[in-house]
Amino acid sequence: DQQVKQNSPSLSVQEGRISILNCDYTNSMFDYFLWYKKYPAEGPTFLISISSIKDKNEDGRFTVFLNKSAKHLSLHIVPSQPGDSAVYFCAASPYSGGGADGLTFGKGTHLIIQP
Amino acid sequence: KAGVTQTPRYLIKTRGQQVTLSCSPISGHRSVSWYQQTPGQGLQFLFEYFSETQRNKGNFPGRFSGRQFSNSRSEMNVSTLELGDSALYLCASSFSVPGTNYGYTFGSGTRLTVV
Repeated sequence: DQQVKQNSPSLSVQEGRISILNCDYTNSMFDYFLWYKKYPAEGPTFLISISSIKDKNEDGRFTVFLNKSAKHLSLHIVPSQPGDSAVYFCAASPYSGGGADGLTFGKGTHLIIQP
Repeated sequence: KAGVTQTPRYLIKTRGQQVTLSCSPISGHRSVSWYQQTPGQGLQFLFEYFSETQRNKGNFPGRFSGRQFSNSRSEMNVSTLELGDSALYLCASSFSVPGTNYGYTFGSGTRLTVV
C-alpha cells in the first residue's frame, strides 16, 4: 500500500507560468514533508520541506503548502523556468526531522517546462 | 566540500551473482541511508546506518545487507542477484543524529543491471 502518492506521473507547464505539483499521503503519523528534485543520472536534490506545525513554507520561487486535514501537500513553482524540468519527488517522515525510519517517497512527477 | 561519492557508477552482473556497492558520505556526516529507485516503485528505503549501527531497515529481503565502517563509509551487498534487482541504488548522508532535523544529501547513485 503506497503511503505517499503522486498521482500525476507527468506535468507540462509553459515557461513563466505556475507549476503545481501535488502529493497525498495516508499515514497520519507523518509529521515532516520534503520535496526533492532529480535530474537524469544524478541523485535527488533537496528543495524544500515543511513541518506539520506549519501550513506553508516559502523559499524563493518555491512554496510548499500542507493541508493536514486533507493529508495533502503541494509544491508551487513560480515562475517556472526551463531548468525546472526534472522529476520531483515528495517524501514524508514520521519524525519532525527524524531520520531513523527513513523517508517514504512518492513515485515522482516528471515536470516539463515548455518554452 | 566533496559530495556523497558512490562507486561504481555503473555495474552489470548476471543472475545469481552477488554485488557490493560503496558509499563515501560527506566529511563529518555520520548517518548513511540507502535507497533503491526503480521505474515502477519509485524510491524505496533500504536501510540506515549511524555510527556503524543499523538503525532501521526497509521492507527488503535478507539478500540485501549493509554495513558502515568507523570512518562512516558504507557498503551495501546484494547476494543471489535477481533480474528485479536492476535499479539505481542511491546513498544519502546526513550530519543529523536520528531523531533530529533532516539534511540528506544524495549521491549520484550506482546503476545496477542484472542480466
